[in-house]
Amino acid sequence: DIQMTQSPSSLSASVGDRVTITCRASQSIGSYLNWYQQKAGKAPKLLIHSASSLQSGVPSRFSGSGSGTDFALAISSLQPEDFATYFCQQGSNAPYTFGQGTKLEIK
Amino acid sequence: EVELVESGGGLAQPGGSLRLSCAASGFTFGSYDMNWVRQAPGKGLEWVSCISSSVGSSRSYADSVKGRFTISRDNAKNSLYLQLNSLRAEDTAVYYCARTNYQLPGFYSYMDVWGKGTTVTVSS
Repeated sequence: DIQMTQSPSSLSASVGDRVTITCRASQSIGSYLNWYQQKAGKAPKLLIHSASSLQSGVPSRFSGSGSGTDFALAISSLQPEDFATYFCQQGSNAPYTFGQGTKLEIK
Repeated sequence: EVELVESGGGLAQPGGSLRLSCAASGFTFGSYDMNWVRQAPGKGLEWVSCISSSVGSSRSYADSVKGRFTISRDNAKNSLYLQLNSLRAEDTAVYYCARTNYQLPGFYSYMDVWGKGTTVTVSS
């Protein structure tokens, strides 16, 4: 199975900051990498698919990059509604594993 | 409006069974692969199972549920199901159904529509 490792596990930042979350796959997954945002008590929401494609309706301050084994999610200027938990997920091979999550908190 | 609504969760005893359902609306259900994803209390997301849209419906399972859970679908009823047997305490979680979509070329898969989830609690 492909293991997905996110870092950091938690992150404190302020409104207006730029933040980056990274995700590493245990083997090459090409661009089969997705990012989701989850707020407390809510279902996950797709932000980025295919490593760098912004899902329709998602603000352009979110961006994704990477290929192979190393990926990143960047948020260019944090807004209050961005404080949430973020998960990466590989869509290359079943089981379609998720990273352990990165909790983004207000500093 | 595209929507997925899960139901069927509840309290079950260890070794017991439950059947989860997911009702789809607002899109051509039979054209999409579908998934179940779960989240234990305070934990991350765990992909559980998926089923293809095609007749004959290929299925995949996480090792943690293989042989105990069965995914199925009824395209005429726009519904996805997950039969949970031989339940364990570690199966306690919110269970989400999610639609698979693909970006072409490359068949990059992602889960673009999620339900709100149904809660399964396994306890004596």
